[in-house]
Amino acid sequence: EAQVTQNPRYLITVTGKKLTVTCSQNMNHEYMSWYRQDPGLGLRQIYYSMNVEVTDKGDVPEGYKVSRKEKRNFPLILESPSPNQTSLYFCASSRVTGVASYEQYFGPGTRLTVT
Amino acid sequence: AQKVTQAQTEISVVEKEDVTLDCVYETRDTTYYLFWYKQPPSGELVFLIRRNSFDEQNEISGRYSWNFQKSTSSFNFTITASQVVDSAVYFCALSDAREYGNKLVFGAGTILRVKS
Repeated sequence: EAQVTQNPRYLITVTGKKLTVTCSQNMNHEYMSWYRQDPGLGLRQIYYSMNVEVTDKGDVPEGYKVSRKEKRNFPLILESPSPNQTSLYFCASSRVTGVASYEQYFGPGTRLTVT
Repeated sequence: AQKVTQAQTEISVVEKEDVTLDCVYETRDTTYYLFWYKQPPSGELVFLIRRNSFDEQNEISGRYSWNFQKSTSSFNFTITASQVVDSAVYFCALSDAREYGNKLVFGAGTILRVKS
């Protein structure tokens, strides 16, 4: 089954304790991205990756890191989480062809609470 | 700059009513893509439709239909004969071909509540 998986689905942590949210897709997509969803703001892009070893900042990258060492995996790292990073996080993937934009397939979401 | 506005924060209807969700977008590019996603109470994001800026044909898929009008920069979504299972948050999104890659700019979402 074609899917994007994220782990963990729920996480409660304390300020400053490093954490990683994993994301994996089995559709051989080149493009992967992380979004955060906050009430009244919709989804905002944190980081994206066009392919292995190619990553770039989205609209709200502060406080986050990513890496893309393998095509299927795109982990999101919070080196020193703060309460303002409490949010619902989504990983997404899609194919890329030239300048066309294709639908992104989203993971189930990770609800993070930082106390 | 890209922007997507969903002015309706929340809509409540009774089952079998028709309902239209509004989406207005802003972009400087002539080539762009518009999307609608559904987020049911379970929380996942479900892709509904993709439309490119050169295709202004309206689309119908079962009870769902989309009206794309470049003249008013709108991409509205209509659900005919709504059902309780349509209750969800609906997001409109824009991807601008000038942007490197597939970045999606989302509206704030419209909460649709369908009552039986």
